[in-house]
Amino acid sequence: AQKITQTQPGMFVQEKEAVTLDCTYDTSDPSYGLFWYKQPSSGEMIFLIYQGSYDQQNATEGRYSLNFQKARKSANLVISASQLGDSAMYFCAMRERSGGSNYKLTFGKGTLLTVNP
Amino acid sequence: EAGVAQSPRYKIIEKRQSVAFWCNPISGHATLYWYQQILGQGPKLLIQFQNNGVVDDSQLPKDRFSAERLKGVDSTLKIQPAKLEDSAVYLCASSLDSGVEQYFGPGTRLTVT
Repeated sequence: AQKITQTQPGMFVQEKEAVTLDCTYDTSDPSYGLFWYKQPSSGEMIFLIYQGSYDQQNATEGRYSLNFQKARKSANLVISASQLGDSAMYFCAMRERSGGSNYKLTFGKGTLLTVNP
Repeated sequence: EAGVAQSPRYKIIEKRQSVAFWCNPISGHATLYWYQQILGQGPKLLIQFQNNGVVDDSQLPKDRFSAERLKGVDSTLKIQPAKLEDSAVYLCASSLDSGVEQYFGPGTRLTVT
């Protein structure tokens, strides 16, 4: 089974509107964590936001917020007031314990977001 | 603060040749990762170092890939001999410790012909 599933290969949004990128996950580790990364065409992965499995409140970082629904095992990224510079690939990733005090990150296949002017 | 540095940025080689990539992590970061990202997919972890020790290399094709992190700072990833399916972007990342946010370098785009 896929550990991280991003069902939207591509998404389009108008500038200044909000957009939600979906992510569902599967793990048996009770202390997992969820990350979102942005990858522009330049190739570098940029950390956006993190949500821990025990966090009571949804994480927010500026225009980014994470809609964390633990029972549904979903961690959707919400980008408010989209900008042209938000056009990029977005990856959801899950951190799980992989042995001892070590953790491993598993990435989804990504969603290509295009912001239209 | 300087980010993760990688070189070269691009490399084209023929199959069966060897190639090496270099990574310099953010100063003070104990954990270093090498990922392989094939076009259209998310990054896949190849190897993870904690200081200069390997903590996870379960997905590293050890018959042709090798990596080292001498003195717990810089790291090199080598492929010998390369195959066509090794064409990908090789990303290096580092983090303060295992499990916290990782910071990525610009990657090395490898083309094997």
